Amino acid sequence: EADIYQTPRYLVIGTGKKITLECSQTMGHDKMYWYQQDPGMELHLIHYSYGVNSTEKGDLSSESTVSRIRTEHFPLTLESARPSHTSQYLCASSPPAGGIQETQYFGPGTRLLVL
Amino acid sequence: EDQVTQSPEALRLQEGESSSLNCSYTVSGLRGLFWYRQDPGKGPEFLFTLYSAGEEKEKERLKATLTKKESFLHITAPKPEDSATYLCAVQAWGYGGSQGNLIFGKGTKLSVKP
Repeated sequence: EADIYQTPRYLVIGTGKKITLECSQTMGHDKMYWYQQDPGMELHLIHYSYGVNSTEKGDLSSESTVSRIRTEHFPLTLESARPSHTSQYLCASSPPAGGIQETQYFGPGTRLLVL
Repeated sequence: EDQVTQSPEALRLQEGESSSLNCSYTVSGLRGLFWYRQDPGKGPEFLFTLYSAGEEKEKERLKATLTKKESFLHITAPKPEDSATYLCAVQAWGYGGSQGNLIFGKGTKLSVKP
C-alpha cells in the first residue's frame, strides 16, 4: 500500500488568490494523478503524469496546472481561484506497469472552498 | 464511450442483513475492474482488482465477482463499520500513458444500522 500525502487537508480562500495543493508519495511510483470530486459525484481525472517532466490533461477540463520535477512530488496550482473551483481534490499514484494492471492508491484529499 | 454505472445509489441495511452492490460497465477492452471504499472526507481505499469474467475475490465480509458486463460486491452479515461509499472503476486497454487511467462510477452509499 502506498503512502500518499496531501496538504493542506482543508483550505478556505478568497476569489482571485493563487493556491498550490501539494501531493507527495514515498513509494517511488512513476504515475501520479489528480482527480476532482464533487459531493455525490464520480471522481473525474483532471491531470496525470507518467514520470518526471511529463504531464497530461485528463478527461475533465480544468483551469489548474501541474508540474512533475521530482518523482515523489506532483503539485497542483490554481493561478486565480474562483468559487467554481470549490471541490475536493484527490491525488493518487500507481506503480510501473510491470503487470497487466496498475492499482491506484489515493491520498486523503484536499477540500477547497473558494469564497 | 467507456462508462460505469453503479446501483443502487444508496442502500440501507440492518446489521447482519446481507446484500449486493452492482457495477455495470461498458468498455472497449477491459484491462481491470477495481473496487474502492471511501469514507466521508477521505480518499478512496483500494479493495479489489478483477481481471477476467468468472474471477472472484474475498476480503473479510466482502466478495467481488465479475462477468463480461458487470461486477457485484457482495456484503455478508454487514456491520456498522462497513458503512461507507463503495466505488467501482474500470481500466481499459489503450495506448501510451493513458492506459492506466480509471473511469469511476458515482458509487453506492451503504449505511448499516445496528
